[in-house]
Amino acid sequence: AQSVTQPDIHITVSEGASLELRCNYSYGATPYLFWYVQSPGQGLQLLLKYFSGDTLVQGIKGFEAEFKRSQSSFNLRKPSVHWSDAAEYFCAVNVNAGKSTFGDGTTLTVKP
Amino acid sequence: SQTIHQWPATLVQPVGSPLSLECTVEGTSNPNLYWYRQAAGRGLQLLFYSVGIGQISSEVPQNLSASRPQDRQFILSSKKLLLSDSGFYLCAWTVNGGYTFGSGTRLTVV
Repeated sequence: AQSVTQPDIHITVSEGASLELRCNYSYGATPYLFWYVQSPGQGLQLLLKYFSGDTLVQGIKGFEAEFKRSQSSFNLRKPSVHWSDAAEYFCAVNVNAGKSTFGDGTTLTVKP
Repeated sequence: SQTIHQWPATLVQPVGSPLSLECTVEGTSNPNLYWYRQAAGRGLQLLFYSVGIGQISSEVPQNLSASRPQDRQFILSSKKLLLSDSGFYLCAWTVNGGYTFGSGTRLTVV
């Protein structure tokens, strides 16, 4: 069965610094990959998705992610973090009938 | 535009009481619909999904059930709640493979 691992439970960065959140997946073929963001007490919002083609995908709010097949990774990046980016981030893989498997999430704290 | 509505936002229910959470989608037809549960500090667990009216697939054996009486309506139910049913319940539907989520229902079973 497919699985998603987000190795970092909690990350703290200073405002204006760059950010990289890690995601590794386990699946025999190339899956559909997603990143979502969740603010406290809210539903999740789709940041970006990868289906095929260019391995660097751009999303909303200035985020991007790079698919690396050799490393089974789909890391999320942002060049300069804003205080409003503080939230929980989830990586997900979608392989069958539209069903997604989610990682356990990474909580991002932004220091002023 | 497509929107998804989920209610209620919060719910406190005693053990053994019934449950009904509702989710409706607007602006699309024949969507795939999903119910997920999020435990505190954890990721999302898929509970049920539906590809059409009356078609429900269960992912996790439990005392919850789901129904889809109309194309754009998805209901999560229980006859008797357990303490372990507490959590954050999210309804979602797919848009080009990515999910659009409702705002969630925080259920506390006491």
